[in-house]
Amino acid sequence: AQTVTQSQPEMSVQEAETVTLSCTYDTSESDYYLFWYKQPPSRQMILVIRQEAYKQQNATENRFSVNFQKAAKSFSLKISDSQLGDAAMYFCAYNSGGSNYKLTFGKGTLLTVNP
Amino acid sequence: GAGVSQSPSNKVTEKGKDVELRCDPISGHTALYWYRQSLGQGLEFLIYFQGNSAPDKSGLPSDRFSAERTGGSVSTLTIQRTQQEDSAVYLCASSRGRTDTGELFFGEGSRLTVL
Repeated sequence: AQTVTQSQPEMSVQEAETVTLSCTYDTSESDYYLFWYKQPPSRQMILVIRQEAYKQQNATENRFSVNFQKAAKSFSLKISDSQLGDAAMYFCAYNSGGSNYKLTFGKGTLLTVNP
Repeated sequence: GAGVSQSPSNKVTEKGKDVELRCDPISGHTALYWYRQSLGQGLEFLIYFQGNSAPDKSGLPSDRFSAERTGGSVSTLTIQRTQQEDSAVYLCASSRGRTDTGELFFGEGSRLTVL
Protein backbone atom coordinates (compact mmCIF):
# COMPACT_ATOMS: atom_id res chain seq x y z
CA ALA A 1 0.00 0.00 0.00
CA GLN A 2 1.13 3.51 -0.73
CA THR A 3 2.10 5.66 2.22
CA VAL A 4 2.79 9.36 2.50
CA THR A 5 4.97 10.72 5.29
CA GLN A 6 5.28 14.30 6.44
CA SER A 7 8.01 14.39 9.08
CA GLN A 8 7.41 17.97 10.22
CA PRO A 9 4.26 18.27 12.36
CA GLU A 10 4.84 22.02 12.68
CA MET A 11 6.89 24.68 10.94
CA SER A 12 7.16 28.42 11.32
CA VAL A 13 8.46 31.14 9.03
CA GLN A 14 8.85 34.88 9.15
CA GLU A 15 6.73 36.91 6.80
CA ALA A 16 8.48 37.43 3.44
CA GLU A 17 10.89 34.57 4.09
CA THR A 18 11.03 31.17 2.38
CA VAL A 19 10.02 27.87 3.93
CA THR A 20 10.20 24.29 2.70
CA LEU A 21 7.81 21.55 3.78
CA SER A 22 8.95 17.97 3.40
CA CYS A 23 7.09 14.95 2.09
CA THR A 24 8.21 11.44 1.26
CA TYR A 25 6.14 8.62 -0.12
CA ASP A 26 6.37 4.95 -0.81
CA THR A 27 5.13 3.35 -4.00
CA SER A 28 6.03 0.65 -6.46
CA GLU A 29 4.34 2.48 -9.32
CA SER A 30 6.35 4.27 -11.98
CA ASP A 31 3.66 6.72 -12.97
CA TYR A 32 1.60 8.59 -10.41
CA TYR A 33 0.53 12.02 -9.22
CA LEU A 34 1.51 14.07 -6.21
CA PHE A 35 -0.27 17.01 -4.67
CA TRP A 36 -0.06 19.60 -1.97
CA TYR A 37 -3.30 20.70 -0.37
CA LYS A 38 -3.76 23.63 1.99
CA GLN A 39 -6.30 23.60 4.83
CA PRO A 40 -6.83 27.00 6.48
CA PRO A 41 -8.80 27.37 9.74
CA SER A 42 -12.01 27.38 7.70
CA ARG A 43 -11.30 23.64 7.20
CA GLN A 44 -11.84 23.78 3.42
CA MET A 45 -9.05 21.94 1.63
CA ILE A 46 -7.64 23.75 -1.39
CA LEU A 47 -5.34 22.31 -4.04
CA VAL A 48 -2.06 24.25 -4.07
CA ILE A 49 0.00 22.42 -6.64
CA ARG A 50 0.25 19.08 -8.44
CA GLN A 51 3.04 17.12 -10.08
CA GLU A 52 2.90 14.25 -12.56
CA ALA A 53 5.66 11.75 -11.91
CA TYR A 54 6.52 11.36 -15.59
CA LYS A 55 7.37 15.05 -15.84
CA GLN A 56 10.92 15.88 -14.85
CA GLN A 57 10.25 19.59 -14.57
CA ASN A 58 9.23 20.72 -11.12
CA ALA A 59 5.78 22.28 -10.93
CA THR A 60 5.46 25.96 -10.04
CA GLU A 61 2.42 28.05 -9.13
CA ASN A 62 3.32 31.66 -8.38
CA ARG A 63 5.09 31.64 -4.97
CA PHE A 64 4.69 27.88 -4.59
CA SER A 65 7.08 25.41 -6.14
CA VAL A 66 8.03 21.80 -5.58
CA ASN A 67 11.27 19.87 -5.51
CA PHE A 68 10.38 16.47 -6.91
CA GLN A 69 13.06 13.81 -6.49
CA LYS A 70 11.61 10.66 -8.02
CA ALA A 71 14.45 8.32 -7.15
CA ALA A 72 14.39 9.47 -3.55
CA LYS A 73 10.58 9.48 -3.50
CA SER A 74 10.65 12.98 -2.12
CA PHE A 75 8.23 15.81 -2.89
CA SER A 76 8.87 19.00 -0.94
CA LEU A 77 6.93 22.26 -1.16
CA LYS A 78 8.71 25.60 -1.17
CA ILE A 79 6.79 28.73 -0.30
CA SER A 80 8.60 31.93 -1.24
CA ASP A 81 7.87 35.39 0.12
CA SER A 82 5.62 33.91 2.81
CA GLN A 83 2.45 35.81 3.59
CA LEU A 84 0.23 35.77 6.65
CA GLY A 85 -2.48 34.14 4.54
CA ASP A 86 -0.21 31.16 3.95
CA ALA A 87 -0.69 30.08 7.56
CA ALA A 88 -2.53 26.77 7.38
CA MET A 89 -2.23 23.01 7.57
CA TYR A 90 -0.51 21.60 4.50
CA PHE A 91 -1.12 18.06 3.34
CA CYS A 92 0.90 16.08 0.85
CA ALA A 93 -1.13 13.55 -1.14
CA TYR A 94 -0.56 10.75 -3.63
CA ASN A 95 -2.65 9.14 -6.35
CA SER A 96 -1.59 6.38 -8.70
CA GLY A 97 -3.88 7.58 -11.46
CA GLY A 98 -5.50 5.27 -13.95
CA SER A 99 -8.57 3.70 -12.42
CA ASN A 100 -7.49 4.63 -8.91
CA TYR A 101 -9.59 7.43 -7.52
CA LYS A 102 -8.41 7.58 -3.95
CA LEU A 103 -5.99 10.14 -2.66
CA THR A 104 -3.63 9.00 0.10
CA PHE A 105 -2.76 11.85 2.45
CA GLY A 106 0.07 12.50 4.85
CA LYS A 107 -0.68 13.65 8.39
CA GLY A 108 0.00 17.28 7.58
CA THR A 109 2.33 20.08 8.57
CA LEU A 110 0.99 23.08 10.47
CA LEU A 111 2.62 26.23 9.10
CA THR A 112 2.72 29.39 11.20
CA VAL A 113 3.70 32.68 9.60
CA ASN A 114 5.10 35.27 12.00
CA PRO A 115 4.68 38.98 11.20
CA GLY B 1 -24.12 25.39 -6.20
CA ALA B 2 -20.90 27.37 -6.22
CA GLY B 3 -19.07 24.92 -4.01
CA VAL B 4 -19.43 21.76 -1.98
CA SER B 5 -21.87 22.37 0.84
CA GLN B 6 -21.91 20.32 4.04
CA SER B 7 -24.28 20.36 6.96
CA PRO B 8 -24.30 20.57 9.85
CA SER B 9 -21.09 22.48 10.35
CA ASN B 10 -20.86 21.23 13.90
CA LYS B 11 -22.70 18.43 15.64
CA VAL B 12 -22.53 17.42 19.27
CA THR B 13 -24.22 14.18 20.18
CA GLU B 14 -24.36 11.68 22.98
CA LYS B 15 -22.77 8.30 22.77
CA GLY B 16 -25.17 5.76 21.31
CA LYS B 17 -27.19 8.23 19.24
CA ASP B 18 -27.40 8.15 15.43
CA VAL B 19 -26.21 11.08 13.33
CA GLU B 20 -26.62 12.08 9.70
CA LEU B 21 -24.20 14.29 7.84
CA ARG B 22 -25.16 15.82 4.54
CA CYS B 23 -23.11 16.75 1.48
CA ASP B 24 -24.28 18.68 -1.55
CA PRO B 25 -21.61 18.45 -4.27
CA ILE B 26 -20.83 20.88 -7.04
CA SER B 27 -23.43 20.66 -9.77
CA GLY B 28 -22.30 18.39 -12.57
CA HIS B 29 -19.66 16.58 -10.55
CA THR B 30 -20.15 12.84 -10.93
CA ALA B 31 -17.72 11.72 -8.26
CA LEU B 32 -18.28 12.20 -4.54
CA TYR B 33 -15.98 11.24 -1.66
CA TRP B 34 -16.20 11.14 2.10
CA TYR B 35 -13.05 11.45 4.18
CA ARG B 36 -12.56 11.51 7.93
CA GLN B 37 -10.02 13.75 9.61
CA SER B 38 -9.21 12.88 13.18
CA LEU B 39 -7.12 15.10 15.46
CA GLY B 40 -3.46 14.88 14.48
CA GLN B 41 -4.16 12.53 11.63
CA GLY B 42 -4.32 12.90 7.92
CA LEU B 43 -7.41 12.31 5.89
CA GLU B 44 -8.81 8.81 5.98
CA PHE B 45 -10.80 7.65 2.96
CA LEU B 46 -14.29 6.39 3.81
CA ILE B 47 -16.39 5.94 0.68
CA TYR B 48 -16.53 6.91 -2.99
CA PHE B 49 -19.48 7.32 -5.36
CA GLN B 50 -19.08 7.59 -9.12
CA GLY B 51 -22.17 8.12 -11.24
CA ASN B 52 -24.47 5.13 -11.13
CA SER B 53 -21.72 2.65 -10.30
CA ALA B 54 -21.70 0.69 -7.07
CA PRO B 55 -19.92 2.77 -4.40
CA ASP B 56 -16.53 1.82 -3.04
CA LYS B 57 -17.21 1.32 0.66
CA SER B 58 -13.82 -0.15 1.47
CA GLY B 59 -12.85 2.67 3.83
CA LEU B 60 -15.86 2.50 6.13
CA PRO B 61 -14.45 1.60 9.57
CA SER B 62 -17.39 -0.47 10.78
CA ASP B 63 -20.94 -1.50 9.90
CA ARG B 64 -22.21 1.41 12.00
CA PHE B 65 -21.19 3.63 9.10
CA SER B 66 -23.21 3.86 5.91
CA ALA B 67 -23.70 6.35 3.12
CA GLU B 68 -26.03 6.88 0.25
CA ARG B 69 -26.21 9.22 -2.68
CA THR B 70 -29.62 10.04 -4.03
CA GLY B 71 -30.18 10.95 -7.65
CA GLY B 72 -26.46 11.17 -8.28
CA SER B 73 -26.25 14.35 -6.26
CA VAL B 74 -26.74 14.82 -2.51
CA SER B 75 -25.09 12.32 -0.21
CA THR B 76 -25.80 11.43 3.40
CA LEU B 77 -23.29 9.77 5.71
CA THR B 78 -24.99 8.01 8.61
CA ILE B 79 -23.27 6.88 11.78
CA GLN B 80 -25.35 4.64 14.01
CA ARG B 81 -24.81 4.15 17.73
CA THR B 82 -22.04 6.73 17.81
CA GLN B 83 -18.92 6.11 19.88
CA GLN B 84 -16.43 8.62 21.25
CA GLU B 85 -13.82 7.47 18.73
CA ASP B 86 -16.14 8.67 15.97
CA SER B 87 -15.38 12.26 16.98
CA ALA B 88 -13.69 13.84 13.97
CA VAL B 89 -14.20 16.21 11.08
CA TYR B 90 -16.00 14.54 8.19
CA LEU B 91 -15.03 16.05 4.87
CA CYS B 92 -16.92 15.64 1.64
CA ALA B 93 -15.36 16.28 -1.75
CA SER B 94 -16.53 16.09 -5.34
CA SER B 95 -14.84 16.00 -8.70
CA ARG B 96 -15.66 15.74 -12.35
CA GLY B 97 -14.48 12.16 -12.42
CA ARG B 98 -11.11 10.56 -11.97
CA THR B 99 -8.77 12.06 -9.43
CA ASP B 100 -5.63 11.88 -11.51
CA THR B 101 -5.81 15.61 -11.96
CA GLY B 102 -6.06 16.00 -8.20
CA GLU B 103 -8.95 18.37 -8.60
CA LEU B 104 -10.95 17.37 -5.58
CA PHE B 105 -13.19 20.18 -4.38
CA PHE B 106 -13.79 19.96 -0.66
CA GLY B 107 -16.51 21.27 1.58
CA GLU B 108 -15.77 22.84 4.93
CA GLY B 109 -16.56 19.65 6.76
CA SER B 110 -18.83 18.61 9.58
CA ARG B 111 -17.20 18.48 12.99
CA LEU B 112 -18.72 15.66 15.03
CA THR B 113 -18.23 15.52 18.78
CA VAL B 114 -19.49 12.47 20.63
CA LEU B 115 -19.81 12.97 24.38
